[in-house]
Amino acid sequence: EVQLVESGGGLVQPGGSLRLSCAASGFTFDNYAMHWVRQAPGKGLEWVSGISWNSNSINYAESVKGRFTVSRDNAKNSLFLQMNRLTTEDTAFYYCAKGPLTASELDHWGQGTLVTVSS
Amino acid sequence: DIQMTQSPSSLSTSVGDRVTITCRAAQSISSDLNWYQQKPGTAPKLLIFAASNLQSGVPSRFSGSGSGTDFTLTISSLQPEDSGTYYCQQSYSTPLTFGGGTRMEI
Repeated sequence: EVQLVESGGGLVQPGGSLRLSCAASGFTFDNYAMHWVRQAPGKGLEWVSGISWNSNSINYAESVKGRFTVSRDNAKNSLFLQMNRLTTEDTAFYYCAKGPLTASELDHWGQGTLVTVSS
Repeated sequence: DIQMTQSPSSLSTSVGDRVTITCRAAQSISSDLNWYQQKPGTAPKLLIFAASNLQSGVPSRFSGSGSGTDFTLTISSLQPEDSGTYYCQQSYSTPLTFGGGTRMEI
């Protein structure tokens, strides 16, 4: 069974940093691209970033470019999102998701981790 | 970025109804269109990929159609468990973009 478990969310002050992790199991991690998608409370879905299986292709939403960095460790079946210079607009549930490609459907999602940016 | 527009934004339906949700892309995206269902407090779940392909384990009352710029998700006979919010998403190019969602109450 595919499992994606996010961690690392919490309360952070504006301008601060946070690192999210996603632990994957139940599939061959290095065969798939991975993505981060966020959802502000009560709002719709916003794709944040995607990374190819070998990290050669990485893309970001314009809203996070230059502040967020996605990475993965295939040896540890893990995906990461380093978030710097956080603003209140970044407050959201952050989901990790897997897909065949960096531009593809997202066929399995984690349960999400909440990031709250507030003073 | 490719803008995705869904309609309606909300609808109230009944068990057994046939429902259609539409999604329009601002430019042609071939058949690179996916549909998700999200229930309150849970992660989205993939229903349909590549416009018309049913994801494994999804009931056959769900179907998708369309290509180019106009797409539809149809639920042939609504069940109580189908309530939730439905999103379309284009996978033609990055950044991946989602429609604004259709909240369905049964």
